[in-house]
Amino acid sequence: DGGITQSPKYLFRKEGQNVTLSCEQNLNHDAMYWYRQDPGQGLRLIYYSQIVNDFQKGDIAEGYSVSREKKESFPLTVTSAQKNPTAFYLCASSWASGHNEQFFGPGTRLTVL
Amino acid sequence: ILNVEQSPQSLHVQEGDSTNFTCSFPSSNFYALHWYRWETAKSPEALFVMTLNGDEKKKGRISATLNTKEGYSYLYIKGSQPEDSATYLCAFPTDSWGKLQFGAGTQVVVTP
Repeated sequence: DGGITQSPKYLFRKEGQNVTLSCEQNLNHDAMYWYRQDPGQGLRLIYYSQIVNDFQKGDIAEGYSVSREKKESFPLTVTSAQKNPTAFYLCASSWASGHNEQFFGPGTRLTVL
Repeated sequence: ILNVEQSPQSLHVQEGDSTNFTCSFPSSNFYALHWYRWETAKSPEALFVMTLNGDEKKKGRISATLNTKEGYSYLYIKGSQPEDSATYLCAFPTDSWGKLQFGAGTQVVVTP
């Protein structure tokens, strides 16, 4: 089955700790994206990557970091510099064009205690 | 950040009734307009990607229209069913590579 997987589904961390969220896709898509969702707001883009070993900041990149060493994988690290990290995080992938739909993973809910 | 606005924020619809709601977006530098459906406990799923002014797309009882000159798209649900309950998101690519700007969504609740 082709698709996008994210793990874990729920994540709890203490304040001040870095945490890495996993995102893997086997759709052979070039582009991958990380979004954050907060109540009452639309999805906001954190980082995106159009090809391996390249990525760009989205609208809310501060306090986050990513890597794209493999086409299939785009992990997101939430660092201690992120002031309000508790949120729902969605990963997506697509063929790299604004004309192509994005496919989303199931999401990770991060709670910082 | 370009603004993508959706209205209304939420809708309550009786089963069998039809409904529609709006997405407005910047009319300059248009690449495409995306609609996604996001059901509770599931991942957002693409409904339509619309690219041409005057485009109309249909999937079952759901259809969408596009006006790129005035910067709006309507999503219609005909004969709403409880399974249509979801948040409907529209998104606007801000570059040719697919960087999407999402609206806040319209939450639709269909009651039997």
